[in-house]
Amino acid sequence: AQKITQTQPGMFVQEKEAVTLDCTYDTSDPSYGLFWYKQPSSGEMIFLIYQGSYDQQNATEGRYSLNFQKARKSANLVISASQLGDSAMYFCAVQRDTGRRALTFGSGTRLQVQP
Amino acid sequence: DTAVSQTPKYLVTQMGNDKSIKCEQNLGHDTMYWYKQDSKKFLKIMFSYNNKELIINETVPNRFSPKSPDKAHLNLHINSLELGDSAVYFCASKEGHTGELFFGEGSRLTVL
Repeated sequence: AQKITQTQPGMFVQEKEAVTLDCTYDTSDPSYGLFWYKQPSSGEMIFLIYQGSYDQQNATEGRYSLNFQKARKSANLVISASQLGDSAMYFCAVQRDTGRRALTFGSGTRLQVQP
Repeated sequence: DTAVSQTPKYLVTQMGNDKSIKCEQNLGHDTMYWYKQDSKKFLKIMFSYNNKELIINETVPNRFSPKSPDKAHLNLHINSLELGDSAVYFCASKEGHTGELFFGEGSRLTVL
């Protein structure tokens, strides 16, 4: 079974600063995918970024980047230049690379961006 | 066009009632899911269908029964509703290459 750990239930960051949201995972699969999703107060789940376990480079999507350290089994999300609209719940998730497996989610981190 | 749509968005009902939540996706994906998000925001997989075939059935009470009439639809029927069923239920479909899940807006079920 896979286990995803997000150790920060809540985080605060000043507007325009960078913030790192931690995620560690425990899987014995040789191949897997890592995902981050954002859930604002309105409730929808928004895909942010994806990293394959065999990808050599860390994934980046605009202000989001994924600090992937395979040996440590960590996949931290870095948000640069935080904006007020970044205030939300952030979920890390892992998926076995067998096509039919569902995403297993961590417990989430609530990020609040302060002006 | 909404990629994954769920109806209803809000559902308030009494204990013991039976209710259904419908989900439709127009992305052409083969795999669809139901997730439950509890009051602590924890997301847990309930079911998964691939091209109308049930492939994941987590330890969910028999009162919950998914139905997939075709690969674009995955409905969730719940019998004899209990207080603990109150949650937000998310439908999702999966993109085949990366495995990214596309979520519906969620259906908030409140059992009184």
